[in-house]
Amino acid sequence: DSGVTQTPKHLITATGQRVTLRCSPRSGDLSVYWYQQSLDQGLQFLIQYYNGEERAKGNILERFSAQQFPDLHSELNLSSLELGDSALYFCASSAGTGGGSNEKLFFGSGTQLSVL
Amino acid sequence: AQSVTQLDSQVPVFEEAPVELRCNYSSSVSVYLFWYVQYPNQGLQLLLKYLSGSTLVESINGFEAEFNKSQTSFHLRKPSVHISDTAEYFCAFNDMRFGAGTRLTVKP
Repeated sequence: DSGVTQTPKHLITATGQRVTLRCSPRSGDLSVYWYQQSLDQGLQFLIQYYNGEERAKGNILERFSAQQFPDLHSELNLSSLELGDSALYFCASSAGTGGGSNEKLFFGSGTQLSVL
Repeated sequence: AQSVTQLDSQVPVFEEAPVELRCNYSSSVSVYLFWYVQYPNQGLQLLLKYLSGSTLVESINGFEAEFNKSQTSFHLRKPSVHISDTAEYFCAFNDMRFGAGTRLTVKP
């Protein structure tokens, strides 16, 4: 058990809809990362937050947004969903600031999103 | 731009055979390199990492990787694989960006 909790484990929705994925980091970790994993794109870094502030941005679409709350949990919001958004979404956490560092990431078990 | 490239998308091997999973990086600054493993239906777990010092790093389950600056590589090796090593392996760069992954399938 990595200590990172993601909910829900599975999510089935329709095109055009909006969903929210939730992540609780390991106790004491200040950084949260979001990744998208799909067969054709591999593991894509979306965005990182550190102690409530956006720290780094990757291949995140404008239809997607995220935030980290004062209790350090994070939510990834996906809107105007398309078939191609179907993927496994991972959250990871680390103790430090990230970005060019030597930190180890602890991954949750992911949320499988299916857009029908 | 900094990046990692995993040269093989799939590597099938027989049990007890040696294996090498290749990773090359591109960077003009100091690098930290990582290998993560993803077992079926699980999240990723850190396998080993290179930060500085000895260029050969080892994991607890028999994998090792060697940082080679001249060849800009960080290949993962194991001299004898087990069925339980079947998983997807990801090379990652210090800004936590991952390669495309290599699916290792160990056959009996």
